[in-house]
Amino acid sequence: NAGVTQTPKFRVLKTGQSMTLLCAQDMNHEYMYWYRQDPGMGLRLIHYSVGEGTTAKGEVPDGYNVSRLKKQNFLLGLESAAPSQTSVYFCASASGQFGQETQYFGPGTRLLVL
Amino acid sequence: DQQVKQNSPSLSVQEGRISILNCDYTNSMFDYFLWYKKYPAEGPTFLISISSIKDKNEDGRFTVFLNKSAKHLSLHIVPSQPGDSAVYFCAAVGSGNTGKLIFGQGTTLQVKP
Repeated sequence: NAGVTQTPKFRVLKTGQSMTLLCAQDMNHEYMYWYRQDPGMGLRLIHYSVGEGTTAKGEVPDGYNVSRLKKQNFLLGLESAAPSQTSVYFCASASGQFGQETQYFGPGTRLLVL
Repeated sequence: DQQVKQNSPSLSVQEGRISILNCDYTNSMFDYFLWYKKYPAEGPTFLISISSIKDKNEDGRFTVFLNKSAKHLSLHIVPSQPGDSAVYFCAAVGSGNTGKLIFGQGTTLQVKP
């Protein structure tokens, strides 16, 4: 059981470039989430999904898009990266039975936008 | 508008003593709270949770207290160990049965040997 994995671990982008962050979970969880962590800000929710084929906006969705084509995968896209998107990105998943389950986090992707 | 606040960015305690981490929230509709622990270069891991129908939940060395009238919760670690040195995040479950978490800013705990 790998749990939640994230690819890549680290990436440097130039302003205006695009990229996709991949999150995969092998726990058959319904719910998946993307957060970003910035110094002094805690973790903030970008987008989330409550099941395959569904997505919804979180607290800070601007500049990001997501897709959940397969239950086990949740992709986060940056179409035109900006320096303000320099952050550490965490993916999480939860079983989704009652809405209060423990979320399991991946190890994070560190993104630097120059 | 920060709905969950951890006003102490850092805390340093001696090994064997008690660590008390605090968290305040503004939304009285929150009814479930969690504490996560995070080591450098790793994702957060779940530590302990509490429902609003309780005022205390204990798991080994970790106890979470909830004071609903004050909109305040705290995490007690007794006794503290050097391996407890990490960033601790308080989180509240948002509305809508989607499991969305609203995190505090985090408190860095250092336990000195």
